[in-house]
Amino acid sequence: TQLLEQSPQFLSIQEGENLTVYCNSSSVFSSLQWYRQEPGEGPVLLVTVVTGGEVKKLKRLTFQFGDARKDSSLHITAAQPGDTGLYLCAGEPTGGYQKVTFGIGTKLQVIP
Amino acid sequence: SQTIHQWPATLVQPVGSPLSLECTVEGTSNPNLYWYRQAAGRGLQLLFYSVGIGQISSEVPQNLSASRPQDRQFILSSKKLLLSDSGFYLCARRKGSGNTIYFGEGSWLTVV
Repeated sequence: TQLLEQSPQFLSIQEGENLTVYCNSSSVFSSLQWYRQEPGEGPVLLVTVVTGGEVKKLKRLTFQFGDARKDSSLHITAAQPGDTGLYLCAGEPTGGYQKVTFGIGTKLQVIP
Repeated sequence: SQTIHQWPATLVQPVGSPLSLECTVEGTSNPNLYWYRQAAGRGLQLLFYSVGIGQISSEVPQNLSASRPQDRQFILSSKKLLLSDSGFYLCARRKGSGNTIYFGEGSWLTVV
């Protein structure tokens, strides 16, 4: 059982379309991070959300942290082929004692 | 600098052979260090984490072990590899609770 459930696990869309991926848990997190990973490389941080209800924008990417700090979403507007990759959410549950856990990831393919 | 060095980058080992993956970090003292394994369909699985020299917390594996002989060195070992140990191993560091995790380049292990 994954502490962080990500959906969908796979997504294939056309260039220019919008998409949203979700990260859900029954646990409360002090913060959640979103990473993007290219094949054969380590994940790279996109954003950290800390406050319940927080919304952060990074160009065409919008990240939201749920009010109860149990879930998060990533919305991409007008997807580009360069957005292709594996998107991972990660977090440390409150009282998690430095244990950072990751979701299984959403594999996104943007077709030109 | 937030550099993390992992080696070897690629490894092919027979079943039953020993393993040693090394990770060294630069740029910070007393970091939290992590070993993750990424296998197809399994996402990033936390194997070990360490909050200081000689302090190791084990999350999952029975035939893997970790050691932290120096502040900035983290080693993943096995006495006898299993086929199921194949995967992409990632070393990561974090300065403290709530801070960003940075990943190394990863080590590909194939057990044959």
